[in-house]
Amino acid sequence: RKEVEQDPGPFNVPEGATVAFNCTYSNSASQSFFWYRQDCRKEPKLLMSVYSSGNEDGRFTAQLNRASQYISLLIRDSKLSDSATYLCVAPNFGNEKLTFGTGTRLTIIP
Amino acid sequence: NAGVTQTPKFQVLKTGQSMTLQCAQDMNHEYMSWYRQDPGMGLRLIHYSVGAGITDQGEVPNGYNVSRSTTEDFPLRLLSAAPSQTSVYFCASSYSGDSYGYTFGSGTRLTVV
Repeated sequence: RKEVEQDPGPFNVPEGATVAFNCTYSNSASQSFFWYRQDCRKEPKLLMSVYSSGNEDGRFTAQLNRASQYISLLIRDSKLSDSATYLCVAPNFGNEKLTFGTGTRLTIIP
Repeated sequence: NAGVTQTPKFQVLKTGQSMTLQCAQDMNHEYMSWYRQDPGMGLRLIHYSVGAGITDQGEVPNGYNVSRSTTEDFPLRLLSAAPSQTSVYFCASSYSGDSYGYTFGSGTRLTVV
């Protein structure tokens, strides 16, 4: 089993809709998790961090379920500018190393 | 505040050539890392450093060397380039502690022919 697994998609979603991604992880010792956003041919950029139960930032909500070892990302009222690949990331305990999922590609359709 | 700066942005090498990818950050971050990104593989850790003078191997270290003589700089050296090293390379840095995300450089696109 991969350390971090994501559905690669693609997810094609109409503008204004709500979309959710899940990510499963295998290392139960991981304390915090991150969602990064990566645009085509660009570097990953930090979108949100997830620690205890969850985190909300505007239209974005990230949740953590330790019992089932998954994290989720919910995007409400999706915009065309949300089109990107979303990367689920689990650091090791000391945050020296990151393990990335392969990413979920999202396209928002006008 | 430039963040994480990588040079060059593009490079073509012949098999067997060596080169150094440069990475510099001006945020006084303790942690620095090198990742490579290949289609369908996600980002994989090559080498990382938790401070000046301290480096360690990641998931795919073979064929690469690093050093960290200063907090700001973390160069990645390809010893003898191979076609399998064709990839996009990202440098990243962070404060220590698990509550901080990493800041990535804009990447180096390397082709080995």
